[in-house]
Amino acid sequence: DAKTTQPNSMESNEEEPVHLPCNHSTISGTDYIHWYRQLPSQGPEYVIHGLTSNVNNRMASLAIAEDRKSSTLILHRATLRDAAVYYCILRDFLGAGGTSYGKLTFGQGTILTVHP
Amino acid sequence: DSGVTQTPKHLITATGQRVTLRCSPRSGDLSVYWYQQSLDQGLQFLIQYYNGEERAKGNILERFSAQQFPDLHSELNLSSLELGDSALYFCASSVPRGEAFFGQGTRLTVV
Repeated sequence: DAKTTQPNSMESNEEEPVHLPCNHSTISGTDYIHWYRQLPSQGPEYVIHGLTSNVNNRMASLAIAEDRKSSTLILHRATLRDAAVYYCILRDFLGAGGTSYGKLTFGQGTILTVHP
Repeated sequence: DSGVTQTPKHLITATGQRVTLRCSPRSGDLSVYWYQQSLDQGLQFLIQYYNGEERAKGNILERFSAQQFPDLHSELNLSSLELGDSALYFCASSVPRGEAFFGQGTRLTVV
């Protein structure tokens, strides 16, 4: 599985934008970039995903570098509820060799702290 | 509510025992995934099933086994339990090439 690198932790103030970076220099052409987050005492929650173009949804935006070797998750106005561990994951949708179809491999993620 | 139901929510058992964790996926989701989360290991992928067939295997111990039934619910069986098996066990489901939805987890404590 291609690996991602994220900062261990980041801090933000409430109502300010947050930019969470992720490096994935070994990304392959069939890898989608997924972001999940895990709030305390809960299961992971899908945030957003993309392949090449920037993506927006009600939760966040995903900015993908032109060479796809890095991406940034953008929370436009952080709230206290956004305090969580954010995971950047590469997911191979073609299931290389039939052995990795759809699975999500979680790294250590970034612990986001939001200050009031 | 993700639509994925895991039972039981909490389980306390003794070393050497066997337990079964159950997962009911979202309606229509054919893929089921199992993950283990312990304090020092993070989220570890165990195994994936798709429409009753095993599709991918992670670092699942030989003492652990799983299956997906014709009604698509899945069970994770953990046997000869050790203290180190204490963890949160998450189940997730998805449609092919769709986002994964996670349950609230089963907290297993082995004493």
